[in-house]
Amino acid sequence: EPEVTQTPSHQVTQMGQEVILRCVPISNHLYFYWYRQILGQKVEFLVSFYNNEISEKSEIFDDQFSVERPDGSNFTLKIRSTKLEDSAMYFCASRTTSHGELFFGEGSRLTVL
Amino acid sequence: ILNVEQSPQSLHVQEGDSTNFTCSFPSSNFYALHWYRWETAKSPEALFVMTLNGDEKKKGRISATLNTKEGYSYLYIKGSQPEDSATYLCAFGSRDDKIIFGKGTRLHILP
Repeated sequence: EPEVTQTPSHQVTQMGQEVILRCVPISNHLYFYWYRQILGQKVEFLVSFYNNEISEKSEIFDDQFSVERPDGSNFTLKIRSTKLEDSAMYFCASRTTSHGELFFGEGSRLTVL
Repeated sequence: ILNVEQSPQSLHVQEGDSTNFTCSFPSSNFYALHWYRWETAKSPEALFVMTLNGDEKKKGRISATLNTKEGYSYLYIKGSQPEDSATYLCAFGSRDDKIIFGKGTRLHILP
C-alpha cells in the first residue's frame, strides 16, 4: 500500500543550525502539508503546498521556514536557524483532493539543543 | 481563530466496554470533519471523513456521527479491545481547505 515516508526519523541539532526534513508523499497526491506537534500539545498546521507553491501558511511558519518540492517527488521542510522551541515531531501529509483524508508520514522528531 | 475541542483529554476503559468521545468545532465555514487514530510510534490514520449533517459512518466496531448545525461529532467504540488504545484526533476541514486539529482524546483500554 502506498505510504508517505519521512526522513530522518530523529534529528538532534544545535541551536542556530539549519535542518532539512524530507518527505516523499504518495505519488498521485497533489496537496502536501507539514504539521508539527510539540510534546504534550496539539498537532499544529505549518504550511500547505499545491501546484508548486505555498497555498496557506500559519503564523508559526515565519521567515525561518521554507518548503520545496525540488524534483517532483521529495517535499522538504527547511528550518534555517533552529531555536529551542522548534523541538517537536514534524509530520508530512498528502492527499489527492483539497478536501479528502490526509495520509501522514511517521514523523521526524527534531531535538534542538 | 478556529478552535476544535475534544473531550475528554484522556479516558480509561475496561476491555469489552463501549465508550464514546466528543469533538466540537465551528459551525461556520464547515466543509468536512475528519477522525484519525494515532497509535504510539506510528502515523495518524484516517478513520472517517464526514461532510453532511446527520452523517453516520461505521468501520467495524467504530462509528461516528456528525451534527454540523450545532458543531459536534461523536466517535463510538463498541466492545473495546486492547488494540483500540490510541489517541483519537478530530480535525475540522474548512471550505477554504484548512484542516485544524483538536488536541485529541487519549484512550487506554484496561485488560
